[in-house]
Formats: sequence, structure tokens, C-alpha cells
Amino acid sequence: GAGVSQSPSNKVTEKGKDVELRCDPISGHTALYWYRQSLGQGLEFLIYFQGNSAPDKSGLPSDRFSAERTGGSVSTLTIQRTQQEDSAVYLCASSSAVAGGNEQFFGPGTRLTVL
Amino acid sequence: AQTVTQSQPEMSVQEAETVTLSCTYDTSENNYYLFWYKQPPSRQMILVIRQEAYKQQNATENRFSVNFQKAAKSFSLKISDSQLGDTAMYFCAFTGGAQKLVFGQGTRLTINP
Repeated sequence: GAGVSQSPSNKVTEKGKDVELRCDPISGHTALYWYRQSLGQGLEFLIYFQGNSAPDKSGLPSDRFSAERTGGSVSTLTIQRTQQEDSAVYLCASSSAVAGGNEQFFGPGTRLTVL
Repeated sequence: AQTVTQSQPEMSVQEAETVTLSCTYDTSENNYYLFWYKQPPSRQMILVIRQEAYKQQNATENRFSVNFQKAAKSFSLKISDSQLGDTAMYFCAFTGGAQKLVFGQGTRLTINP
């Protein structure tokens, strides 16, 4: 079956522009996560959606970052007024249930480069 | 706050050898899960093995096994009969009640022919 997909695979933007990154989770997965992978900071949690519950936004680094999940499926991560330090690979993952320890299935990531 | 530490930034072994990757973690939670993920150059994160903290028996998956020492908060990964396809970044990760994964800094493993 189809795995987690992300688009675009690569995005180059100019400092100050807004970008939107998309994630399509595995069908039926109720939990969706965004992580950021950068050379300086390693892999960091950004935000977590579970069903209709309020998202856990505790990992978002600034108010320039936001995310939404429409209809419990597709998610969009938006970065406003991009800065060079936002350059990173943004990874999306989904899992099938709330119970702890369920495997998170990752997408291939979006590499964002801010010039 | 939970932390995960991988003290080996890089490792290199010959094909068919056994290699052990180290991981330590810190948490005050009693119920949690530990994972090893593999990230090849394609960037795709792939689950290698999972361990539930309440299980004393070490998890195994074919050539991959862990040495879970709960009291010492240690969770090492052993790869037996290493293969060229095992070349990748390996991340140790923790999840507890908060659901999110907390990752270590990773170990870059190279298997040489």
C-alpha cells in the first residue's frame, strides 16, 4: 500500500517568503507528526495531531511556524517570512493509534533551502 | 524532559562483522518505548527494532538485536553479519506519554566491502 508522501521533495526559497509543505499520511492513520532535521539541531519534534484533539504544538520554534490538518488526513506545514536558519529537511510521519509505542511511518521529507 | 544520547558519531566495520551502536537515555517515566531507526541516503526513516520498557526480554529482528538495560538507561543495537545495505545513519529514539519521538544525534555506520 501507499506510504506517507510529502511534497515538494525539494524547495528553494528566498529569505522572507512564505512556504507551504504538504504531507499525505497513510490512509486510516489517526496520528500525524512533523519533525525537522537539520545539521545543527539533529531531529526535532515540531507538532503532533491526533484525531480531532487539539494539536500538540510544543515543538514549533516560533510563531512563524504553523500547521493544520484538514479532514483528519492531509496536513500542511506553513513557514512565514522564512529565515536562513529554517533550512532543513522537514519530515512527516503517521501512526495508526494513540497507544504509545506504535511505529511511526515516515515520509521521504521535504528539503527546504532558504537563500 | 527526556534526552537521548548517542556517543558514537561514526562507525565503520567490514562486511560480515558484528557491530554494536550505543545509546543512553534519561527519563522519569516508567512506561515508555525505545526504537532504532535507520536512515539511508534516500532520507527515508525506517524502523529497525522496537523495545517496550516493561518487557525484560531483549527485542530481536533477524540480524538486529538490542541490549536493553533499564536500570542503566542503556539501549544498544547489535547488527550481526553486517551487510553493505546496512550502511546508513542510525537513530536511537524514545517515546513516552507524550507520543512524540525524541531522537539521539545519530551514528553514521559504514559497512566496507
